[in-house]
Amino acid sequence: EAQVTQNPRYLITVTGKKLTVTCSQNMNHEYMSWYRQDPGLGLRQIYYSMNVEVTDKGDVPEGYKVSRKEKRNFPLILESPSPNQTSLYFCASSRPRTSGAYEQYFGPGTRLTVT
Amino acid sequence: AQSVTQLGSHVSVSEGALVLLRCNYSSSVPPYLFWYVQYPNQGLQLLLKYTSAATLVKGINGFEAEFKKSETSFHLTKPSAHMSDAAEYFCAVRGQGAQKLVFGQGTRLTINP
Repeated sequence: EAQVTQNPRYLITVTGKKLTVTCSQNMNHEYMSWYRQDPGLGLRQIYYSMNVEVTDKGDVPEGYKVSRKEKRNFPLILESPSPNQTSLYFCASSRPRTSGAYEQYFGPGTRLTVT
Repeated sequence: AQSVTQLGSHVSVSEGALVLLRCNYSSSVPPYLFWYVQYPNQGLQLLLKYTSAATLVKGINGFEAEFKKSETSFHLTKPSAHMSDAAEYFCAVRGQGAQKLVFGQGTRLTINP
């Protein structure tokens, strides 16, 4: 089954304790992206990757890191989490085409609480 | 830069009534437009997308959306709401030549029995 998986689904942590949220896709997609979802703000892009070893900042990258060492994996790293990073996080992947009418496939989400 | 505005953060309709969720975009050229649905505790699922092939787009679960260039709108409708339609709906836009999806703020749809 074609899918994007994320782990963990739920995480409660304390300020300053480094954490990693994993993301993996089995569709051989080149493009992967991380979003955070906050009430009233919709989804905002944190980082994205066009392919292996190619990553770039999205709209809200502060406090986050990513890496893309393999095509299928795109982990999100919070080196020193803070309470304002409490949010619902989504990983997504897609295969870019000349026409922009292609969909992004989303993971199930990771709900992170930082106390 | 592309942007999307969804009018109404919450919409409530009765079961069997018309559903209308509003989306307006800003773009100098017709972009690619999408509606996604998010059911409780789930990720986002594509409902439908505008590809310029037709202005009226039919999606899954009986939803459809009409692209109106003169109004820069892409409103989502369903003739008769079902309890299972209760979810959050997101309108998104991708510009010409871009990879990034820009999302609206979301509209939470509640269905009253």
